[in-house]
Amino acid sequence: EIVMTQSPGTLSVSPGERATLSCRASQSVGSKLAWYQQKPGQAPRLLIYGASTRATGIPARFSGSGSGTEFSLTISSLQSEDFAIYYCQQYSDWPPLTFGGGTKVEIE
Amino acid sequence: QLQLQESGPGLVKPSETLSLTCTVSGGSIRSGHYSWAWIRQPPGKGLEWIGSIYFSGNTYYNPSLKSRVTVSLDTSKNQFSLNLSSVTVADTAVYYCARHPLIIVGVGEFDHWGQGTLVTVTS
Repeated sequence: EIVMTQSPGTLSVSPGERATLSCRASQSVGSKLAWYQQKPGQAPRLLIYGASTRATGIPARFSGSGSGTEFSLTISSLQSEDFAIYYCQQYSDWPPLTFGGGTKVEIE
Repeated sequence: QLQLQESGPGLVKPSETLSLTCTVSGGSIRSGHYSWAWIRQPPGKGLEWIGSIYFSGNTYYNPSLKSRVTVSLDTSKNQFSLNLSSVTVADTAVYYCARHPLIIVGVGEFDHWGQGTLVTVTS
């Protein structure tokens, strides 16, 4: 099973600032990595797939990078609606499909 | 616009079987381009993939749950279902249904999700 590890667990950021979230895989997943945003009481929403491709309707301030075992999600200028929990997920080697434990982005 | 909607009991007794249905609208589950999945999230915790089913009926399950899980399709109703047997309080979670595209090798990301339904296991 590929274990996905996200860091930090919580990221405190001021609106307008840049946020960088990390995700590490226990073995290479190539570029088969997705990022999701989840707000309280809502289902996760796909942000990024293929490590760096934005999903339909996702603002350009969200960008993904990395390959192999190290990935990052960058939010270039945090808006109020971006405060949420973010999850990475690999779909390279399955079953099982696995998610990271999440990074909570909160207002500083 | 594709929509997924979970339905089923919100309360299940320990040792019984949890049964949920996902109704798909705005698209056909018979599409050869997609697979259909169940994912759960215990309160305050992260996401866990439960299993997926291809349009062909082939299924893939999380090894940690495989002995208790069945996912099935009902193409006549454009629905797919989850049965999880012998539940315990540890199975209390929000259960989501989702779609993921088939790619050259395997499956891709979860691009559409239902709103989720809370299932509580309690006596």
